[in-house]
Amino acid sequence: DVKVTQSSRYLVKRTGEKVFLECVQDMDHENMFWYRQDPGLGLRLIYFSYDVKMKEKGDIPEGYSVSREKKERFSLILESASTNQTSMYLCASSNRGRADTQYFGPGTRLTVL
Amino acid sequence: QKEVEQNSGPLSVPEGAIASLNCTYSDRGSQSFFWYRQYSGKSPELIMFIYSNGDKEDGRFTAQLNKASQYVSLLIRDSQPSDSATYLCAVNRYSSASKIIFGSGTRLSIRP
Repeated sequence: DVKVTQSSRYLVKRTGEKVFLECVQDMDHENMFWYRQDPGLGLRLIYFSYDVKMKEKGDIPEGYSVSREKKERFSLILESASTNQTSMYLCASSNRGRADTQYFGPGTRLTVL
Repeated sequence: QKEVEQNSGPLSVPEGAIASLNCTYSDRGSQSFFWYRQYSGKSPELIMFIYSNGDKEDGRFTAQLNKASQYVSLLIRDSQPSDSATYLCAVNRYSSASKIIFGSGTRLSIRP
């Protein structure tokens, strides 16, 4: 069965803290994605990775960085968390090629105080 | 203009009726079109994808694509209370086949 897992369901951090969100998939997918989801704004792509050590900016990369050292793992890093980064963060993975089905993790609800 | 537009709803449909969800997109080069369902507090899950003009049926769900009009729709026949959810339309970007853009979703409520 397809599985994407995220390190935390809920996370509370303080302004200025460094935050790591981890995502692991067990489907041997090439592509991995980080989105944030906010009411009325839908899912917005932060970063995308199509291979190990490869990354591409999405629509809203400011304030975020990513790391993909292994195929199955894709990390999202908030270097200095701010209150406007309070959101639901969703990780997804898919096969390479014409846009394929994306499988989502359960999400991490991050609150920055 | 948003790249993928959906009416936010809520769309209220009586149980047993047909629910019709609509989506328009702006990139004429888009090739792949998806409908995801998202229950409250859960992550999106794929219901259907469609690549060619016309209709594609899967059980109670039918996806319809009209590339000339840049229009995608999802029909849900014999609507059930369990169909109450937010439905996200997603479209790939011509410039990057693997990336898809999501609409902000239509909230569907099936009333018994």
